[in-house]
Amino acid sequence: DIVMTQTPLSSPVTLGQPASISCRSSQSLVHSDGNTYLSWLQQRPGQPPRLLIYKISNRFSGVPDRFTGSGAGTDFTLKISRVEAEDVGVYYCMQATQFPYTFGQGTKLEIK
Amino acid sequence: EVQLVESGGGLVQPGGSLRLSCAASGFTFSNYWMSWVRQAPGKGLEWVANIKRDGSEKNYVDSVKGLFTISRDNAKNSLYLQMNSLRAEDTAVYYCVRDFGSGWSFGMYWGQGTLVTVSS
Repeated sequence: DIVMTQTPLSSPVTLGQPASISCRSSQSLVHSDGNTYLSWLQQRPGQPPRLLIYKISNRFSGVPDRFTGSGAGTDFTLKISRVEAEDVGVYYCMQATQFPYTFGQGTKLEIK
Repeated sequence: EVQLVESGGGLVQPGGSLRLSCAASGFTFSNYWMSWVRQAPGKGLEWVANIKRDGSEKNYVDSVKGLFTISRDNAKNSLYLQMNSLRAEDTAVYYCVRDFGSGWSFGMYWGQGTLVTVSS
């Protein structure tokens, strides 16, 4: 199975400041079709997960442009340019390149 | 508007069975793979299983192989998860998730989840 490792696991951030989460996969996420199926999801307290980014850097409908995904191969990053109060929650990277799909452990974003 | 509504969760004794359902609407259900993802209390996300558009291919995480069965009824726009020989570690919120299809990626739509509690 592909292991997804996120850092940090907890990120206290000041409102208006940037935040960054890293995700590393145990093997390349490049699919045989040439796509890299790496996504980022946000889970606010008491809510189901919500897709933010798919295929490394594509923002899903309705996602603010302060969220940016980047990376390639085995190393990926989610950046929030200016953290807002509504961004509090847990962020997960996940791969859907190979079965079983796997998720990172989650990174808890909280306001200082 | 895409909607995924899970049902069928509840309290079950160890060794028991439960069948989860997911009613889909707002999209052409038969064009998409569908998945189940679970989340144990206070824990992270775990993908459980998925099923191809026509039901001809099914994939499972190792921990549920031979115990859980995913199925679908495209005429009813419904997804199911039959869970047998349940164990305490199967206690979780189970989410129905729209998977790949029509050029779109996994995870664009999630249900609100249904809680399964395995306890005596």
